[in-house]
Amino acid sequence: GAGVSQSPSNKVTEKGKDVELRCDPISGHTALYWYRQSLGQGLEFLIYFQGNSAPDKSGLPSDRFSAERTGGSVSTLTIQRTQQEDSAVYLCASSLSNSGNTIYFGEGSWLTVV
Amino acid sequence: GENVEQHPSTLSVQEGDSAVIKCTYSDSASNYFPWYKQELGKGPQLIIDIRSNVGEKKDQRIAVTLNKTAKHFSLHITETQPEDSAVYFCAASKQGAQKLVFGQGTRLTINP
Repeated sequence: GAGVSQSPSNKVTEKGKDVELRCDPISGHTALYWYRQSLGQGLEFLIYFQGNSAPDKSGLPSDRFSAERTGGSVSTLTIQRTQQEDSAVYLCASSLSNSGNTIYFGEGSWLTVV
Repeated sequence: GENVEQHPSTLSVQEGDSAVIKCTYSDSASNYFPWYKQELGKGPQLIIDIRSNVGEKKDQRIAVTLNKTAKHFSLHITETQPEDSAVYFCAASKQGAQKLVFGQGTRLTINP
């Protein structure tokens, strides 16, 4: 596609439920990133993919968070047993490679845990 | 690891005046410094970037300067317009690094 596509754009879920957030990167981009942005805050790195592998998972806040990428394209971020502190905008980004190329962001998935 | 500090957190300027946002970074190995603009409800959009082999880069009303010795870089917007109102983020990364480290953002308001 023309840009990074994320779905859903908005999600309200009950505390304790699992959620899946989807990212479709720009075609041909091998690098894919997930960031989290809490209300009024900066962007917090979560995980990075190069192809289907994730060399850097250092930003995942807990073992309730996981992500996968299949076919070197679409990625899914899964949050299990959601907590209220998980409420945030989850931003996906992609770039041609991991070596200093421009990183393009999607519009984000706004998650609210009630 | 890298740490990026951004100031000010909020900035209000009159339309037509200039705006300057400053960032410092901690890792001297960082060599790529992009600036992103984020409008309400949207994802961040790259507006300009600079690499460590240059000291300044301009694109119309926007310019970025880099001081490697002092480890700081700045965004300059001249002749500000209402549509420049947004949150601006600086970031830093190393060649071959897998991620950008972002500053905390500056909310810029242009007053008509």
